[in-house]
Formats: sequence, C-alpha cells, structure tokens
Amino acid sequence: QQPVQSPQAVILREGEDAVINCSSSKALYSVHWYRQKHGEAPVFLMILLKGGEQKGHEKISASFNEKKQQSSLYLTASQLSYSGTYFCGTETVNNNDMRFGAGTRLTVKP
Amino acid sequence: DTAVSQTPKYLVTQMGNDKSIKCEQNLGHDTMYWYKQDSKKFLKIMFSYNNKELIINETVPNRFSPKSPDKAHLNLHINSLELGDSAVYFCASRSRGRAGELFFGEGSRLTVL
Repeated sequence: QQPVQSPQAVILREGEDAVINCSSSKALYSVHWYRQKHGEAPVFLMILLKGGEQKGHEKISASFNEKKQQSSLYLTASQLSYSGTYFCGTETVNNNDMRFGAGTRLTVKP
Repeated sequence: DTAVSQTPKYLVTQMGNDKSIKCEQNLGHDTMYWYKQDSKKFLKIMFSYNNKELIINETVPNRFSPKSPDKAHLNLHINSLELGDSAVYFCASRSRGRAGELFFGEGSRLTVL
C-alpha cells in the first residue's frame, strides 16, 4: 500500500517556505524522501526511522510522527534549485519493499 | 564511475515485440529493484531481488520477468509488449538492511508504438 502525499503541487517564490506531507495507513519502519528533476532519476534526500525523529539537510528538514504514521518535509527559504518532484517512500514494519507516494511537484520562481 | 547503470537509455519498439533492459550496480549491494514510472510520474515497484532471490513480486503481468545472473545484475525482460508498457523503467539498489538509501539508475524510457 503506497503512502499518500499532499499537496500534489506547490508554486513558490524564491525565499518562501513549503511543507510536503506523507501519510500511511500501515505501521512504518522508515520514511525516505527523494527529489526528482525533470528527465533525471530520483535522488535521495534523507531517511527517518521509526522512533520518531527530525533530520535536517541544509535548509531542508523532515520529521516523522510514528504515532500518526506521518512524515513532513520542510523546505525553508526556497531556492530555484529546489524545483522538482518530491517523493516520499515508505517501508512498513513487516516488509522492506519501498513504496512511493504519487509525488509533489514543487516549482520555485524568481 | 556510474554506481547503477541501465541500458538502453531509450527504446522504441512495436507492439508484440520482446525486449530486455539491463541493470548493473557496482556498489556491492545485496538488494536491487525495478520501478515503473508512468506519464503521471507515479513510481510503482515491480520487483525486488535480494542476493539473487526474488522477494517481491508485484501484481504485474507475467509478460514481465526479472532475471538476475548474479547479485550485481538485475535484468528486466518484457514479452509481447503493449502500448500501456510505455514508461520509464528505473533500476535501483540498496545495501542489506533497512536504513540504506536507494541508488537509482538513470532510467530506461520505453516507447511502444
């Protein structure tokens, strides 16, 4: 069962912030976040493991609420280079197949 | 030196043909995957191989068959191609365990006419 992502699309101006959400109906072991630019392969951003944690990567950070089986990706002071489609990938407690949400298309304009 | 490489990058073929896509990883990883990304960008898992053993077999048509000659290679063979098979196919690998990231190949764009 794949996770549910929201919103489907976001348009920002440079310097603005955005939040992308990911939720699952299953008990999760981990949540991954990837970014894919047009015509390229998805690239890993970060992983959050069960136990509930928050991680940061430059101006991009994420949290994982184990009780709610939800994760959020936070992009602050967005840059043009942040444009792309963001995917959350989840593994459940019972098996390690990585399933992805439908993606969130982020566009950052000057 | 490319970590996960796929060939061919582009493939245009007629309905009914049989084709293969090859994937090789030089990372020493134990698990490899095939994903299909359709025109709506949805990434759907198709197969997973862990050290040459199939551990996931999604409900994909049996026209699709993964073949792994060794743990560094996972090829995808497709029989009797249909229009709906047109997509970008991504190979990915990860190390043993569940805390590792997926490394994706560049993708193989398949167009069925």
